[in-house]
Amino acid sequence: GAGVSQSPRYKVAKRGQDVALRCDPISGHVSLFWYQQALGQGPEFLTYFQNEAQLDKSGLPSDRFFAERPEGSVSTLKIQRTQQEDSAVYLCASSSQTGNQPQHFGDGTRLSIL
Amino acid sequence: QQQVKQSPQSLIVQKGGISIINCAYENTAFDYFPWYQQFPGKGPALLIAIRPDVSEKKEGRFTISFNKSAKQFSLHIMDSQPGDSATYFCAASSDGNDMRFGAGTRLTVKP
Repeated sequence: GAGVSQSPRYKVAKRGQDVALRCDPISGHVSLFWYQQALGQGPEFLTYFQNEAQLDKSGLPSDRFFAERPEGSVSTLKIQRTQQEDSAVYLCASSSQTGNQPQHFGDGTRLSIL
Repeated sequence: QQQVKQSPQSLIVQKGGISIINCAYENTAFDYFPWYQQFPGKGPALLIAIRPDVSEKKEGRFTISFNKSAKQFSLHIMDSQPGDSATYFCAASSDGNDMRFGAGTRLTVKP
């Protein structure tokens, strides 16, 4: 497709379950970002990949959060032992180059933890 | 620590009016200042961006004004239309990989 694709669009899980969120960036885009957006707030940076290398994971809230991009294209954000405070929209963005380039966002995955 | 402060939280403007949203930042290393528009259920979409070597940038009805000494920048939407009703986010980064967003402004344009 032409844009960033995220799946699933909605995910409901019980507290303590593990979840996996997928991001398909725009083809050929080098940089990939994950953000967490709480209701009524701006996106908060979680982690950044340049190709397959995870160069910054300073925004990951805890060691329950893990992201990977093994072949430098599709990325997966995994949350283990989910907690209610993990409920948010998780946004993925990609850009064609490194540095200050436009980031193209997907429509996000809305995660609800019961 | 919120590195980018945005105001107002919400804004109501009549059709044809000017919408003005303001942002202030603290980190002097920031050198890229984009504005994003977000509709409900959608991801943010880049509207316009500015770098600190210019004081103003205009694209259609959207203008960014930038004041480096005051560490402030603002978005002006001229001739606001009901279709502009959305949430707007300012952001700032120093190398593109550390984007920090404001808390957002919900704009409502009344017909």
